[in-house]
Formats: sequence, structure tokens, C-alpha cells
Amino acid sequence: GQQVMQIPQYQHVQEGEDFTTYCNSSTTLSNIQWYKQRPGGHPVFLIQLVKSGEVKKQKRLTFQFGEAKKNSSLHITATQTTDVGTYFCAGRGGGSNYKLTFGKGTLLTVNP
Amino acid sequence: SAVISQKPSRDICQRGTSLTIQCQVDSQVTMMFWYRQQPGQSLTLIATANQGSEATYESGFVIDKFPISRPNLTFSTLTVSNMSPEDSSIYLCSVDAQGAVYGYTFGSGTRLTVV
Repeated sequence: GQQVMQIPQYQHVQEGEDFTTYCNSSTTLSNIQWYKQRPGGHPVFLIQLVKSGEVKKQKRLTFQFGEAKKNSSLHITATQTTDVGTYFCAGRGGGSNYKLTFGKGTLLTVNP
Repeated sequence: SAVISQKPSRDICQRGTSLTIQCQVDSQVTMMFWYRQQPGQSLTLIATANQGSEATYESGFVIDKFPISRPNLTFSTLTVSNMSPEDSSIYLCSVDAQGAVYGYTFGSGTRLTVV
């Protein structure tokens, strides 16, 4: 079945440093979504990428979808303490496969 | 985006008993999804609940252990039956109400501890 690998599992940074998490799928995806889960909270949708090579930005967050639609990345510039949480990518396969497969997530901690 | 009310938020249960988790959505949705999340781990899909038909279970999950009801387009329940400590986890319902605009919306989760 479809698998989505995500690295790193943990990342600790000093406030102001950049952060990147990477996702790689075993199969071509129709789209990929990114979620953020604060400690003790539930996943909250950040963005969806659909097109090959797509790049989207949300303030300090930059999301990329690979040309082959099998990998994606989330980059945060100049991290802040409010960025703390676990970032999940979730891939959706093509055709009638409507289900999302979540990566294992990257837990980001930020030292003020 | 959709708003989901999930109950209970947490519970401590005796092994061998059952717990029913409820999710109420503020809009009609075709599919509702039930996930399990071990502390510090990723989300694992248990089943997809469709209104008017049997739920579709993922590999490793069976209806006898996790019966699901979906009586209408705004409500669903998941029961965790004959619980053991291995069932201790966070259970989340979610919907895909607005697709590309809002992605999946999740309930606030039920933190279950089985003792």
C-alpha cells in the first residue's frame, strides 16, 4: 500500500533559525496536504499542493511539491516559539483512492 | 470550514468494557473518517464511515472491535469494544468538507486510557 515517509522525526532549533521537514511517497500522489498539531491539540490543515513543482507560501512557511509528485517539503524561515508542534504531511493517491496517508510527522521544538 | 464536536474529550475505562465516541458535524458531509493516534505518533486510519452503508475498515481493524454508526450526514459514532490497555490512544474523527480549501477538519480528539 501507499507509504509516506517523513524526516526528520525531531528537530530542535534556536529561535530565528530555519527549519525544514521532508516527505517522500512510495507512489505518485494526486495531492499532498500539510497539517500542524500543537502539543495536546488536534491536527489543523495548513495547505494542499496539487500541481507538479508547485510552490506555495504562507508568511514564513514555504511548501513545495516535487516534479514527480512523490515528494514534498515544508520550510519555515526564522522560526518563532509559536511554530512549536508536530508537522505532518499527508498524501492522497490517484483515482478512486480518496484516503489520506499521513507521514510520521516532525516534532519541532524552538528554544527562545 | 466544518466544525466538529467530539465527545468525550477523555475517559479512563476498565478493561473488558466498551466506550462510544461521538462526533457531530455542523454541516452535511458524505464521508467521515476515524483515526487512532498513539501519543507522539502519526495518525492511523481505522475506518471510513458512509451514511447509509457499512463502514469501510482498514487492514488490522475489524467491525467487531470498532463498530461504527453513521445514522445521518452530520453524525457518527465509534465504539471501542472489549477494551484492553493496548487500546489506550487518542481517537479522532475527521471530515473532508471543503477539499482543497480547508483539507480535513478534525475533531478535538478523545484521549482513552484503559486500566
